Amino acid sequence: QKEVEQNSGPLSVPEGAIASLNCTYSDRGSQSFFWYRQYSGKSPELIMSIYSNGDKEDGRFTAQLNKASQYVSLLIRDSQPSDSATYLCAVPNQGAQKLVFGQGTRLTINP
Amino acid sequence: KAGVTQTPRYLIKTRGQQVTLSCSPISGHRSVSWYQQTPGQGLQFLFEYFSETQRNKGNFPGRFSGRQFSNSRSEMNVSTLELGDSALYLCASSSTGTDNSPLHFGNGTRLTVT
Repeated sequence: QKEVEQNSGPLSVPEGAIASLNCTYSDRGSQSFFWYRQYSGKSPELIMSIYSNGDKEDGRFTAQLNKASQYVSLLIRDSQPSDSATYLCAVPNQGAQKLVFGQGTRLTINP
Repeated sequence: KAGVTQTPRYLIKTRGQQVTLSCSPISGHRSVSWYQQTPGQGLQFLFEYFSETQRNKGNFPGRFSGRQFSNSRSEMNVSTLELGDSALYLCASSSTGTDNSPLHFGNGTRLTVT
């Protein structure tokens, strides 16, 4: 089992709709979770971090964490064409001083 | 605050050559991590340095090496380049490198090996 798994997509969502991105992880001891956005040809950019069970909202973005199910998700409300990118879920490998990334989900917002 | 700076942005090398990539972390950040990104493998961890010490290393051959200086700047070196080393090499810094500290990435160095 991979440490961090994401559906690679592509995920296509109409403009103005809600985009839902999902991630599962294998290490039950993980305490922090990060979402990165990567535009084509660019480097990953941190957009959300979440540490506690439940929801965390930041503008149009909401991160949801369920540690019991080892599941973290990212919701993008009122999706815009500029949200078209690859979204990477990242979870620290406990004690190994490294952040493990999922393969990323490619999201396309259709005008 | 300036972000993570990587140089050079692009490199073209020939098989068998060696290459050195440079990274300057965000001011005050003591942890520097290096990743290789390819379309097929995604982001693969190379190594992490903190206060000039390598704390962890990924599953890459010994041709990949790195170091960190006292000012937290870091370099990575790849010797005897192979075609498969063509990739985007990303450097990222964090304040402490602990599990709760997110990584902030530089713009990357695009290495092409011919």
